[in-house]
Amino acid sequence: EAGVAQSPRYKIIEKRQSVAFWCNPISGHATLYWYQQILGQGPKLLIQFQNNGVVDDSQLPKDRFSAERLKGVDSTLKIQPAKLEDSAVYLCASSLIRVEKLFFGSGTQLSVL
Amino acid sequence: AQKITQTQPGMFVQEKEAVTLDCTYDTSDPSYGLFWYKQPSSGEMIFLIYQGSYDQQNATEGRYSLNFQKARKSANLVISASQLGDSAMYFCAMREVTAGGTSYGKLTFGQGTILTVHP
Repeated sequence: EAGVAQSPRYKIIEKRQSVAFWCNPISGHATLYWYQQILGQGPKLLIQFQNNGVVDDSQLPKDRFSAERLKGVDSTLKIQPAKLEDSAVYLCASSLIRVEKLFFGSGTQLSVL
Repeated sequence: AQKITQTQPGMFVQEKEAVTLDCTYDTSDPSYGLFWYKQPSSGEMIFLIYQGSYDQQNATEGRYSLNFQKARKSANLVISASQLGDSAMYFCAMREVTAGGTSYGKLTFGQGTILTVHP
């Protein structure tokens, strides 16, 4: 089966610019997650969707980050405007609702200069 | 609140030897799942092994086994017969099971342990 697809693989922007990341989960997976992984740290959940709805966005910096999941499939994570501290790898993951395991994409490495 | 602690920033092991990566957790929920993921330098997160809080037996997956000690709230990963390809970052993680056991909450990760396998 196809895995979780993410694009772009790498992105370099200047601070105060905008950036968007795209994720296509595994077919049939109702739950989708965006994680932020700063170098040397474990991933931190930014937002969790179940179908179209947001389940958890408690750690999403809502003044600059936004995410949507239209039609319960693809998702887009946007940062506007970016700050230096947003430099990180952004990981997308998906899972079936009643199954414990998450499947991760390869991530997008963001560098903010 | 959940908390996952990995106290070993880095570990070294000789090829073909066994190594244990430590993980302790803290939760007030009776139902939860414990995971180990491997992250090579390429960046993808690779699922290794899962242990449910009510599982009676320690989980095993090939060369990976999870030493689950519920009373001590520890879930150490044991890798037997280490290979050069095992060199990577290893993350311990935990998920709560939501009320009613119908779905799973977010996956919370520890800080990770970098494992280096020497030839």
